[in-house]
Formats: sequence, structure tokens, C-alpha cells
Amino acid sequence: DIQMTQSPSSLSASVGDRVTITCQASQNIRNYLNWYQQKPGKAPKLLIYDASNLETGLPSRFSGSGSGTDFTFTISSLQPEDFATYYCQQYDNLITFGQGTRLEIK
Amino acid sequence: EVQLVESGGGLVKPGGSLRLSCAASGFTFSNYAMTWVRQAPGKGLEWVSSISHSSTYIYYADSVKGRFTISRDDAKNSLFLQVNSLRAEDTAVYHCARDRGNNWPPAAFDIWGQGTMVTVSS
Repeated sequence: DIQMTQSPSSLSASVGDRVTITCQASQNIRNYLNWYQQKPGKAPKLLIYDASNLETGLPSRFSGSGSGTDFTFTISSLQPEDFATYYCQQYDNLITFGQGTRLEIK
Repeated sequence: EVQLVESGGGLVKPGGSLRLSCAASGFTFSNYAMTWVRQAPGKGLEWVSSISHSSTYIYYADSVKGRFTISRDDAKNSLFLQVNSLRAEDTAVYHCARDRGNNWPPAAFDIWGQGTMVTVSS
């Protein structure tokens, strides 16, 4: 099984900050990596697919990069609506989610 | 509007069964692979099972293999998850989700339902 390790598990930041979350796979997953946002009581929302492709209609402050085992998700300038939990997900071998990163207001 | 709506959750005793349903609308359901993902209270997302369009291929997580059965009825635009031999650790919100690119194996999930809660407790 492929394990996905996200860091940090939680993060405090302010509106306007640049924020980076990392996700490490236990083996090479090529670019088969997606990022989701989830707000309390809501379904997850796909933000980035195939490691670096922004889902249609979403703001360009969200970006992703990486390949192989190491991936990064960045919000270039935090907005109030961005405070949520973020998950990475691999699909190279079945499906595995990272444990999540909770982004809180400082 | 593209939409997925789950139903069928509830309170069940250990060892019990439920049949979860997911009603799709606003897109050609038969063209898409579909997936169930669950989330225990206060925990992260866990993939449960996926089914290809035409039901040709099915995958299960090891944690549910032999106890859960995924199926679909394309004529009724519906996805199902039969959950048997339930355990306390199966307590979670169960979401259905659509594969973004009509891929198989499943890849990214672009449409999600709000979920149906399954509580396993005596």
C-alpha cells in the first residue's frame, strides 16, 4: 500500500500570507497526485489534479507542484475563505489520502 | 445542476447491515466511474470502493473487502454500497464521488455528495 504523509498537520496563518503544504508518498507515484479542500460539514472540493493542474474556475492563488515522491501545495495569498482542511490523494495504486492539514486563522 | 445525493445511513448494531444509495443528476451517469469515500467523526478521508462505468471493474479497500459490495444501476442513475458485518470502526459519513475524467482506474473526484452518516453502536 502507498502511504501519504502530509506536513504540517496543522498550520496557523494570516490573511495575505503565503502558505505551503507538503505531501510525501512512500513510493514513486509519478504525478498521480491531487489536492482537495474541505470545510467543516461540507464535502471535499477538488483543487489541483495531476499534481499541478488547477481545476476549472478556481483562483490562481492555488498551485501545486512535484513528482515522484515529493509534492507541494501553495496558496500564494491567503483569503478568509481559504481557512479549511487540505488533503492530498494519490491514485498511482488504488486510492490513498493524506491525513490532512488544518489551516487556521492566526 | 450536477449533483450527487446520498441516503440510507442510520444507526445499526455491530454485525448489522445497511444499503447506501447515491442518486446522480445533471450528467450522464453511465459514462463515469464512481467511488465511495468515508470519513469517521473528526478524522480524515478514507477511500472505500470504486466501480467503473459498465461495472466492468471493481476495487475495494482491504478494510472493507468481503463485507461491502459496490454496485450501480445506470438506468436509474444510482450508485449503491451494501455494507454488511458492520463494526464500530465503520462509523463514518459515507460520500459518493464522481471521477473527474471518466478514468479507470479512478483518479480524481470532482463531484461529491454531502454524505450519509452510518453509526455502528450497540
